[in-house]
Amino acid sequence: DAGVIQSPRHEVTEMGQEVTLRCKPISGHDYLFWYRQTMMRGLELLIYFNNNVPIDDSGMPEDRFSAKMPNASFSTLKIQPSEPRDSAVYFCASRAPGLAGGDTQYFGPGTRLTVL
Amino acid sequence: KNEVEQSPQNLTAQEGEFITINCSYSVGISALHWLQQHPGGGIVSLFMLSSGKKKHGRLIATINIQEKHSSLHITASHPRDSAVYICAVRSSGTDKLIFGTGTRLQVFP
Repeated sequence: DAGVIQSPRHEVTEMGQEVTLRCKPISGHDYLFWYRQTMMRGLELLIYFNNNVPIDDSGMPEDRFSAKMPNASFSTLKIQPSEPRDSAVYFCASRAPGLAGGDTQYFGPGTRLTVL
Repeated sequence: KNEVEQSPQNLTAQEGEFITINCSYSVGISALHWLQQHPGGGIVSLFMLSSGKKKHGRLIATINIQEKHSSLHITASHPRDSAVYICAVRSSGTDKLIFGTGTRLQVFP
């Protein structure tokens, strides 16, 4: 299995531009999590989905952030418009269903976003 | 006060030393995770604990539910163990993880 796939790996953009981050979870996993990591705040949960349905988006910082999961194999995190304070590493993680799958989350390699 | 506190924030050691990293939490949990983040940035899950102790190679993780405390031990540390170690708890009744700020470990030869 290829693991969780994220693209792009690096993104540099200018303030005000729209940014779209993409994630492909591990096949068969029914949970998908989006995290943001900064030096100041560490890792923070932004939103998570179960069976493609958003369950908790309380970590999404503001209306400029949106996330979708149109099917079990694809999710996007969009920032529009982007601001310099959005610069961070964004991780996607997935988890197998139910107790049999355990509680382990498998992280993608991350997207390093720089907003100038 | 953070819901998950780790100590120390930074740790340096000589190769071969025994390492302990501590994690305390203030919320009810269903599980506690130890994660490793290498300098390249990738995050790997090391352990998931809900009670007792787990061992994998030179790594040992323990948890005391009553005291809301967990420790990660590394025996015979090696330079390749240099990484950031992150404690995370899964709050009771949710699927959310709450993360500590991490412990940066450097092991010198």
